[in-house]
Amino acid sequence: AQSVTQPDIHITVSEGASLELRCNYSYGATPYLFWYVQSPGQGLQLLLKYFSGDTLVQGIKGFEAEFKRSQSSFNLRKPSVHWSDAAEYFCAVGAQGYQKVTFGTGTKLQVIP
Amino acid sequence: DGGITQSPKYLFRKEGQNVTLSCEQNLNHDAMYWYRQDPGQGLRLIYYSQIVNDFQKGDIAEGYSVSREKKESFPLTVTSAQKNPTAFYLCASSWQGRDGELFFGEGSRLTVL
Repeated sequence: AQSVTQPDIHITVSEGASLELRCNYSYGATPYLFWYVQSPGQGLQLLLKYFSGDTLVQGIKGFEAEFKRSQSSFNLRKPSVHWSDAAEYFCAVGAQGYQKVTFGTGTKLQVIP
Repeated sequence: DGGITQSPKYLFRKEGQNVTLSCEQNLNHDAMYWYRQDPGQGLRLIYYSQIVNDFQKGDIAEGYSVSREKKESFPLTVTSAQKNPTAFYLCASSWQGRDGELFFGEGSRLTVL
């Protein structure tokens, strides 16, 4: 069975500082990996995805993530955080031909001035 | 604009009553999903459907039922058998072959009084 671990429940960063959100997954084959963002009371929006190929993927809103197979990780990064980035971020894992996607428990990001 | 519409956004129900949450998409997606979100638990899959007139149970299907009579629609009924129905419910859809790349509605918050 596939699983996702987001070890940080809550992170606080200063506006303009860099950000890294951690994600570790467990899956026996080549995974599909995703990061989603959720504003309070809203649905989720896809930030970026990894299916295959280049292990560094670029997403919307200036986010990027790097797939590291040896570490079973898919950490999300942003070089300079904006106040509007405050939200909850979910890492997810799936697979080709497999409709069930497993989500992590989320990391809530707070941005302080 | 294309998207997923969930209704109602807020719903209150007395114990012992069934309630149906609506989900409609005009993205021409084949697959549709229902997730339940509780604080600190991420998203858990209730049901999913890959084609019309076919659906599969997810990880927490007990106490829920669905139908898929039209490609655009995937309503979820929360029955009186669901022991703890108060939650935020999210509907999503995706293209076949883009497994895990989900488009979400804005959610429905169900509160049982």
